[in-house]
Amino acid sequence: QITLKESGPTVVKPTQTLTLTCTFSGFSVSSSGVGVGWIRQPPGKALEWLALIFWNDDKRYGPSLKTRLTITKDTSKNQVVLTMTNMDPVDTATYYCAHSRAYCSGGGCDYYAMDVWGQGTTVTVAS
Amino acid sequence: DIQMTQSPSSLSASVGDRVTITCRAGQNINNFLNWYQQKPGKAPKLLIYAASSLQSGVPSRFSGSGSGTDFTLTISSLQPEDFATYYCQQSSTTPRTFGQGTEVEIK
Repeated sequence: QITLKESGPTVVKPTQTLTLTCTFSGFSVSSSGVGVGWIRQPPGKALEWLALIFWNDDKRYGPSLKTRLTITKDTSKNQVVLTMTNMDPVDTATYYCAHSRAYCSGGGCDYYAMDVWGQGTTVTVAS
Repeated sequence: DIQMTQSPSSLSASVGDRVTITCRAGQNINNFLNWYQQKPGKAPKLLIYAASSLQSGVPSRFSGSGSGTDFTLTISSLQPEDFATYYCQQSSTTPRTFGQGTEVEIK
């Protein structure tokens, strides 16, 4: 059974750096086709895709936040860490991590989707 | 980025109704399209991948169709537990952008 759980501060001050940890079980982030992604959701708003790290350490970022984000993985600890610099009140949101895997359909096996999500952690940016 | 646009933004429906939600991609994404359901205070749940493949455990009243730029999520007979917000997401390229969501409310 795959589970993921986000952890980190609930409140950060403007200009500070946010560090969030996704601790997971039930899979290895070094297995082919596997990834762990981060998604956020401001209160009452839509989901925003932030970053994704693949089993081969390939890293992808949303372009609007790319200069502020770093995603890393620690295979031995079963953790993926997201850091976001220069926090602003508009970054107040629930942050989710999710397991990403490749599905096969119609002869292709490159249909990626986030099939298991953590419960989310709420981060408020305020002075 | 590939823009994903859902319509409508919200809809009201009754139990037993057939509900259709549309998602349009800003460019051709073939069938690299996922659908998620999110209930208030909960994490999203994967319903459909590859535009039309049902995730394991998801009721068969949910179905997806489409290819290229236009996609549809259909709930054949709306159940009380289906009142939620639905998001499409393209998985053709990164960033894997989401639509703005469609809230399905009780009529």
